[in-house]
Amino acid sequence: DAGVIQSPRHEVTEMGQEVTLRCKPISGHNSLFWYRQTMMRGLELLIYFNNNVPIDDSGMPEDRFSAKMPNASFSTLKIQPSEPRDSAVYFCASILGGPGTGELFFGEGSRLTVL
Amino acid sequence: GEDVEQSLFLSVREGDSSVINCTYTDSSSTYLYWYKQEPGAGLQLLTYIFSNMDMKQDQRLTVLLNKKDKHLSLRIADTQTGDSAIYFCAEVSGNTPLVFGKGTRLSVIA
Repeated sequence: DAGVIQSPRHEVTEMGQEVTLRCKPISGHNSLFWYRQTMMRGLELLIYFNNNVPIDDSGMPEDRFSAKMPNASFSTLKIQPSEPRDSAVYFCASILGGPGTGELFFGEGSRLTVL
Repeated sequence: GEDVEQSLFLSVREGDSSVINCTYTDSSSTYLYWYKQEPGAGLQLLTYIFSNMDMKQDQRLTVLLNKKDKHLSLRIADTQTGDSAIYFCAEVSGNTPLVFGKGTRLSVIA
């Protein structure tokens, strides 16, 4: 298996622009997570899905952030409009069963820079 | 809510042992994990320990768990330059997502 695949790996955009990050989880995994990593705040859980259904989005910073999982093999995280404080590395991760079961597999991340 | 704390930096000489420490607050944790993040990459599971164990050894890695003090440690024997990375402690209880610490950046000096 190719593992969790994220795109783009790097994105540089200007404040106010829309940003869409994409994730393909490992085939057969039931749960998918979006994390944000910054030096100041470490690794923050933004939202997670189980069987394509959003379970907990309490970590989503504000209404500018939205996430979807239209099917078992694809998820998006959208930021609109983007702001410089959104600059971070965004990770997608998936797990075979429920959120607390077994090994969590991470993608290589999408590094976002908002100017 | 649950919290996981780690020191942010550790520097050791090549060949020495590294000990990375972690404390957590959730007394109902079932599993505790160590993840490793190499530069420019995502996190990868390094090892884990079930909460009813005190110790787990895997080649150069030794995990110690003091459940009473809610303290977890990772010892890396004979540390190599390739061990330079960020190490994350994480805990889970029930069917909720892992709670991660902020990570400890290990620098190995040749």
